[in-house]
Amino acid sequence: GESVGLHLPTLSVQEGDNSIINCAYSNSASDYFIWYKQESGKGPQFIIDIRSNMDKRQGQRVTVLLNKTVKHLSLQIAATQPGDSAVYFCAENKRAAGNKLTFGGGTRVLVKP
Amino acid sequence: DAGVTQSPTHLIKTRGQQVTLRCSPKSGHDTVSWYQQALGQGPQFIFQYYEEEERQRGNFPDRFSGHQFPNYSSELNVNALLLGDSALYLCASSTGTVQETQYFGPGTRLLVL
Repeated sequence: GESVGLHLPTLSVQEGDNSIINCAYSNSASDYFIWYKQESGKGPQFIIDIRSNMDKRQGQRVTVLLNKTVKHLSLQIAATQPGDSAVYFCAENKRAAGNKLTFGGGTRVLVKP
Repeated sequence: DAGVTQSPTHLIKTRGQQVTLRCSPKSGHDTVSWYQQALGQGPQFIFQYYEEEERQRGNFPDRFSGHQFPNYSSELNVNALLLGDSALYLCASSTGTVQETQYFGPGTRLLVL
């Protein structure tokens, strides 16, 4: 079946260190992936996306890597800051599925001062 | 430029009642998607509206219905509320093009007693 899942439910990281959040997907037809950040009491906030014709994409302090061979997606946050504390979701979108997003269960990132 | 807005922010209902949630999309967006997010889980796709019609639907019963108005705003209606309908209801807007980024509103927290 289809699923988008995460390896670690909680990630504790020291302020200033780099964070890596992982996500596995099982549907090889997936061709668009998005990372969202959700702070307590708020809606998901778009961070970065990547299409299946790419292996890597960089934004401001964030990098997304896509390994289609092992169906693995990761989000790297450089120099993690207290404001990065949140739950991070990867979401999958297949062109054949229209604009429906399928979300994983989320990883909570806790930044220690 | 206002982002996605939703109302109300919080709502308390009792079992069997009906509820209407509202969403105004981001300026320039014509597509509205609704998601249900149970506590501690990722959002689940309910349905999507484009050109005032339901374009796509997730695995939700007919108790969940919606509407899109000519100004692209949308409503989500839930009839015969169940305790299990308690969740954060999220609205996301995008352009009509498939696989364009979806931007989320802050959500409506619904509690069914």
